Amino acid sequence: QQQVRQSPQSLTVWEGETAILNCSYEDSTFDYFPWYHQFPGESPALLIAIRPVSNKKEDGRFTIFFNKREKKFSLHIADSQPGDSATYFCAASPPGYQNFYFGKGTSLTVIP
Amino acid sequence: DAGVTQTPRHEVAEKGQTIILKCEPVSGHNDLFWYRQTKIQGLELLSYFRSKSLMEDGGAFKDRFKAEMLNSSFSTLKIQPTEPKDSAVYLCASSLGTGNTLYFGAGTRLSVL
Repeated sequence: QQQVRQSPQSLTVWEGETAILNCSYEDSTFDYFPWYHQFPGESPALLIAIRPVSNKKEDGRFTIFFNKREKKFSLHIADSQPGDSATYFCAASPPGYQNFYFGKGTSLTVIP
Repeated sequence: DAGVTQTPRHEVAEKGQTIILKCEPVSGHNDLFWYRQTKIQGLELLSYFRSKSLMEDGGAFKDRFKAEMLNSSFSTLKIQPTEPKDSAVYLCASSLGTGNTLYFGAGTRLSVL
């Protein structure tokens, strides 16, 4: 059973638009939800993360919205830039030890 | 501070060979992970160590994949025997522990002919 589901598989937006990437998870005990981005030829790197104590986390143009009841969380990229073009992975981690369950990724393309 | 170091960066093997991939985690990190990355499956967990103890061994990979953590600063992933379907990027990652950032190495791109 896939613990974390991510959609869409690919997304294309125009420069300046808001890109919205979605994830859902199975296990209600998960308590840490990071987003990683990966540029071509590079390794994944942490972008932003949230814990269930809050339902929103902002860092510049990047915002995570978290819905504990529905077991969903999303990444909003405001004012998208061509340099944001990358693959984005959501993940979830249970408490106690830190195994990460990753979504399959969303390939984002921002057109100038 | 050095990041996660993986060697080699590229590996080409013939079907049936044994290959060993190496990883040095960030100094002081307690958790070490091996992932396989493909376009279709994304990131799949192969093994997870905490303080050198094996915490999780990806069920689907147990038969031909074996990860070891020889000391706190070195880990290997052995694939024996290799098959063409093993062609992928193998990523090593480490973190301080629960609730901390996962740092990835540059990966080893494996091609099995």
